[in-house]
Amino acid sequence: GAGVSQSPSNKVTEKGKDVELRCDPISGHTALYWYRQSLGQGLEFLIYFQGNSAPDKSGLPSDRFSAERTGGSVSTLTIQRTQQEDSAVYLCASSTGQTSGNTIYFGEGSWLTVV
Amino acid sequence: QKEVEQDPGPLSVPEGAIVSLNCTYSNSAFQYFMWYRQYSRKGPELLMYTYSSGNKEDGRFTAQVDKSSKYISLFIRDSQPSDSATYLCAMSGRDDKIIFGKGTRLHILP
Repeated sequence: GAGVSQSPSNKVTEKGKDVELRCDPISGHTALYWYRQSLGQGLEFLIYFQGNSAPDKSGLPSDRFSAERTGGSVSTLTIQRTQQEDSAVYLCASSTGQTSGNTIYFGEGSWLTVV
Repeated sequence: QKEVEQDPGPLSVPEGAIVSLNCTYSNSAFQYFMWYRQYSRKGPELLMYTYSSGNKEDGRFTAQVDKSSKYISLFIRDSQPSDSATYLCAMSGRDDKIIFGKGTRLHILP
């Protein structure tokens, strides 16, 4: 597609349930990033993929969070046993992955509310 | 010390004024510097991209990087109400990991 596509755009879930957030990057972009942004806060780095591998998972806040990427394209961020503090917007971004021109392009985000 | 520091604001200026937004950083390995604009309930959009030190101009926007001081700036000339948004600085080194500031909320008053 023309831009980074994320789904769902909005999700309300009950505490303790699992959620899956999907990201479809810009065609041809090999690098994919997940960030979290809480109300009034900056962007918190979660995980980065180059192709299907994740060289940097340092930002995942707990073992309830996991992410995978298949076929070098679509990525899924899974949050198990959701807690209220997981409420935030989850932003996906992609880039060509070339360090000489490393700019990333964001989707519109998945707005997660845990009640 | 956080890797990237940015004053959260809010910053309110009258329409037509020059706006100055700034970030400081601690990691001397950073060499790519970016500014993103984020409107309410939207994803961030890339405004300016600069490699290493120097200035870059694009229309009403000018980005400055001073690596010796670890300080970057974004200037907006002839500010418009439509410039009201949150502005995030971002930077990276050679490892593709991009670190963002917390963002500065800017209000342009008509």
